[in-house]
Amino acid sequence: QSVLTQPPSVSGAPGQRVTISCTGSSSNIGRGYDVHWYQHLPGNAPKLLIYSDTNRPSGVSDRFSGSKSGTSASLVVTGLQADDEADYYCQSYDESLRGGVFGGGTKLTVL
Amino acid sequence: QVQIQQWGAGLLKPSETLSLTCTVHGGSFSRYFWAWIRQSPGKGLEWIGEINHLGSTKYNPSIKSGVTVSIDTSKSQVSLRLTSVTVADTALYFCAREQLGCSGGSCYLDYWGQGSLVTVAS
Repeated sequence: QSVLTQPPSVSGAPGQRVTISCTGSSSNIGRGYDVHWYQHLPGNAPKLLIYSDTNRPSGVSDRFSGSKSGTSASLVVTGLQADDEADYYCQSYDESLRGGVFGGGTKLTVL
Repeated sequence: QVQIQQWGAGLLKPSETLSLTCTVHGGSFSRYFWAWIRQSPGKGLEWIGEINHLGSTKYNPSIKSGVTVSIDTSKSQVSLRLTSVTVADTALYFCAREQLGCSGGSCYLDYWGQGSLVTVAS
């Protein structure tokens, strides 16, 4: 079981908006540690999507946005497109475990 | 542009040693920490450990002993060695670059290799 909890799957129709949650605890997200998000298409290298809670690397579409509040973080994808279909992972640091931790991943399906 | 090429592993028997290497093309190899992450079947990602150009390492305390990350700066290569593997070590292993100026698992990973599938079965 992953330290950070994500829904196993989310779905939406093209053009819609979906939110992927990442729930942690007081020893990681709640402690203020940065949350990062990745997109992974099986067979490809994972791609950094959002870093330090809300920042997009150069080249990442502004349809992707991140936020954080309390012990949770969220990734929002607007204007869903077919090629957004992938697995999405959140990452943070856990003080108790003294290391980086990831969520279990969320499979986004575009209907 | 940074590219990370991975190779190694494949099918191992329990108690054998896993060896993986990644070569980094482009970028300033010696300025960064380099990490290994794995994804077990049906599970999420797990940070294994990291190394910098000086050979300074840090490992995930949750992972058993027997893990060694090494570096060859002359070849821009990072290696992972895991001894006495078990079925639980079956996973897709990734090599990735950590955020500049950061180490210890809190960093974002801005470039990843394509992954190396390791299967442990008798």
